[in-house]
Amino acid sequence: DTGVSQNPRHKITKRGQNVTFRCDPISEHNRLYWYRQTLGQGPEFLTYFQNEAQLEKSRLLSDRFSAERPKGSFSTLEIQRTEQGDSAMYLCASPPEGMRDRETQYFGPGTRLLVL
Amino acid sequence: GDSVTQMEGPVTLSEEAFLTINCTYTATGYPSLFWYVQYPGEGLQLLLKATKADDKGSNKGFEATYRKETTSFHLEKGSVQVSDSAVYFCALSDPPNTGNQFYFGTGTSLTVIP
Repeated sequence: DTGVSQNPRHKITKRGQNVTFRCDPISEHNRLYWYRQTLGQGPEFLTYFQNEAQLEKSRLLSDRFSAERPKGSFSTLEIQRTEQGDSAMYLCASPPEGMRDRETQYFGPGTRLLVL
Repeated sequence: GDSVTQMEGPVTLSEEAFLTINCTYTATGYPSLFWYVQYPGEGLQLLLKATKADDKGSNKGFEATYRKETTSFHLEKGSVQVSDSAVYFCALSDPPNTGNQFYFGTGTSLTVIP
């Protein structure tokens, strides 16, 4: 158990619907990352938060995607007007603070999205 | 840009066989290198890491040595067990040049048969 939790674990939706995922990182960890993992591939970076500020966004994050981290605690990732190509595992990661081990990322179990 | 190339899978081995999964990288600077493991139905777990050249990361009988001259970080284990069946991902982090994101390989699926 990495201490990073994600909800829901699975989501099935119809094309065109909106979905929202939640990530609760390790408490007091300032940095939070979202990745997307499609079948047979490694995770791909989507976006990064330092506290409540969204500092980096991948070109993979189209206008239909929005991420927030109010108060620098939990984070949400919303996909509007879902498409079948959005079907993937969405992973949240939270690295420990402090100089020791600051580059390691600890991943949550992921939310698996299936768009029908 | 930075990238990671992993050995194609899937790999099937008999229990107690020797394992090598190749990983090479391309990076602008001096990245840290990682191996993550993903068991069926679970998230990624850190297996081991190395932060500078010639460092050896090790955990649970797995080892990998950061080779700057060959830009490699191959994963090895002397005697695999059925419980090692999983997907293994090589990854790099190169914050000064590419921000804080990780770059992952495509993963190598390992199946160990009794």
